[in-house]
Amino acid sequence: AQSVTQPDIHITVSEGASLELRCNYSYGATPYLFWYVQSPGQGLQLLLKYFSGDTLVQGIKGFEAEFKRSQSSFNLRKPSVHWSDAAEYFCAVGFNFGNEKLTFGTGTRLTIIP
Amino acid sequence: DGGITQSPKYLFRKEGQNVTLSCEQNLNHDAMYWYRQDPGQGLRLIYYSQIVNDFQKGDIAEGYSVSREKKESFPLTVTSAQKNPTAFYLCASSTRETRHEQFFGPGTRLTVL
Repeated sequence: AQSVTQPDIHITVSEGASLELRCNYSYGATPYLFWYVQSPGQGLQLLLKYFSGDTLVQGIKGFEAEFKRSQSSFNLRKPSVHWSDAAEYFCAVGFNFGNEKLTFGTGTRLTIIP
Repeated sequence: DGGITQSPKYLFRKEGQNVTLSCEQNLNHDAMYWYRQDPGQGLRLIYYSQIVNDFQKGDIAEGYSVSREKKESFPLTVTSAQKNPTAFYLCASSTRETRHEQFFGPGTRLTVL
């Protein structure tokens, strides 16, 4: 069965440091890939998405992600985090089965320390 | 402004009572979804609907029911058959033109006492 893995449950990063959140999927073909962010008690906001083309995609709030087909990965990066980036981050994958369902990873909670 | 609204934000119910969560969208999206979120488990799909008057079970449909009588509305009923209904519920919508990109509402936190 298709699946999405976010291996890091919780990451702590100092403000101003770089960030990388990992996401791996299992699927035979190239899926549609997304990163969402969620603040406590809120809905999910789309950070960025990959459908095809350039494997390095830019998103909002200074985030970027790189699709690596050989590693079945879509890791999220930011060169310098801000305290406001503290939130939970979800990777999601859409498999082209004739509907628009998404499969979500279990999330990575990001804590920023001064 | 276009978007998805969910009401209420917080909901308290006694055990054994059915409760209905509202989800409305004015994005003209065809597809709508209901997710349940529990700590450490990500989002799990309850039901989804790709078109009016049609819906399909997701991964955890037991104890829930939905209807899709209008394009803009997709209410979720949590029935007394749901064994552990306390959770955060998220509604989302999408359209084929945006290929799986889903837009989310602000969520409803249901607490069963």
